[in-house]
Amino acid sequence: DAGVIQSPRHEVTEMGQEVTLRCKPISGHDYLFWYRQTMMRGLELLIYFNNNVPIDDSGMPEDRFSAKMPNASFSTLKIQPSEPRDSAVYFCASTKGGGAYGYTFGSGTRLTVV
Amino acid sequence: QQQVKQSPQSLIVQKGGISIINCAYENTAFDYFPWYQQFPGKGPALLIAIRPDVSEKKEGRFTISFNKSAKQFSLHIMDSQPGDSATYFCAVRNAGNMLTFGGGTRLMVKP
Repeated sequence: DAGVIQSPRHEVTEMGQEVTLRCKPISGHDYLFWYRQTMMRGLELLIYFNNNVPIDDSGMPEDRFSAKMPNASFSTLKIQPSEPRDSAVYFCASTKGGGAYGYTFGSGTRLTVV
Repeated sequence: QQQVKQSPQSLIVQKGGISIINCAYENTAFDYFPWYQQFPGKGPALLIAIRPDVSEKKEGRFTISFNKSAKQFSLHIMDSQPGDSATYFCAVRNAGNMLTFGGGTRLMVKP
């Protein structure tokens, strides 16, 4: 298995622009998570899905953030409009529920908003 | 509310020494306690994990010690190597399969 695949690896955008981050989870995993990592706040859970359904989005910072999972093999995290304080590394992770399974993280997308 | 507190924030150990990282949690409903290792430019990777019904788990040079009554668990890295230099995160999992991470410990192992 290729693991959790995220794209793009790096994104530089101007303030006010729309940004879309993409994630392909591991086949057979029924949970998908979006995390944001910054020096100040560490790893923060933004939202997670179970069987493509959003379960908890309480970590989504503002209405500017939205996430979708149209099918079991694809998810997006969108920021519109983007702001400099959104600059961070965004990770997607997936796991199989029901047991002592760890999350598998993707390599992340480093977002810079200028 | 910080659900898991990790210490120290940074740690320098000589090659061959023992690295110890600690975590404390508050909610007794957590059912799974993993440790993750992260290298620069990479996502966190599962290193070792423990369930609350055991007090210790060892995998190679890595050991988790778990104290349920004190609500604490720790990672011990024996015979630390320069290749172990990374950031380590403890985490706790709730019934909803959601992980909450500690703040991380940056470990540097000096040759």
